[in-house]
Amino acid sequence: DAGVIQSPRHEVTEMGQEVTLRCKPISGHDYLFWYRQTMMRGLELLIYFNNNVPIDDSGMPEDRFSAKMPNASFSTLKIQPSEPRDSAVYFCASSAPQGSSYEQYFGPGTRLTVT
Amino acid sequence: AQSVTQLGSHVSVSEGALVLLRCNYSSSVPPYLFWYVQYPNQGLQLLLKYTSAATLVKGINGFEAEFKKSETSFHLTKPSAHMSDAAEYFCAVSGRLTGGGNKLTFGTGTQLKVEL
Repeated sequence: DAGVIQSPRHEVTEMGQEVTLRCKPISGHDYLFWYRQTMMRGLELLIYFNNNVPIDDSGMPEDRFSAKMPNASFSTLKIQPSEPRDSAVYFCASSAPQGSSYEQYFGPGTRLTVT
Repeated sequence: AQSVTQLGSHVSVSEGALVLLRCNYSSSVPPYLFWYVQYPNQGLQLLLKYTSAATLVKGINGFEAEFKKSETSFHLTKPSAHMSDAAEYFCAVSGRLTGGGNKLTFGTGTQLKVEL
């Protein structure tokens, strides 16, 4: 399996622009998680999905952030408009159905820089 | 609710010395526990996991961890450090919830430095 795939790996954009991050989970995994990692705040869970349905979005920082999962093999995290404080590494992770081993498999991350 | 505390944000050891990274957890239900490693500019990689079988768990790259319920601990060890072990290590806990999903709660991480 190719693992969790994220694109782009690096994104540099100007304040006010829309940013879309993409994730393809491991085939057969029905949980998908979006995290943000910064030096100041560490690893934060933003939102997670089960069977394409958002379960908990309490970690989404504000309305500028939105996430969708239109099908089992694709998810997006959108920031509109972007701000310099959104600069971080964004990770996507997936895990197998509940009742199995629970571990999450992480993608390589997208490093976002907002200038 | 679950939480994890990693003692020591930075640990430095000499090459060949014992590695000990500390993790204490709090969980209202029997936990699943994990250690992940993150190398620079990479995602998190699973090192090992405890899922209620053996309390001493062996993982990749010679690491192991012991689940101690009485101490609510899940410390990570490696007998002999190698330069390639330099990375950040995260402890994580998941409750065995029914219908609650596979949500993990991560610690703040421990940066391991290995010196010659």
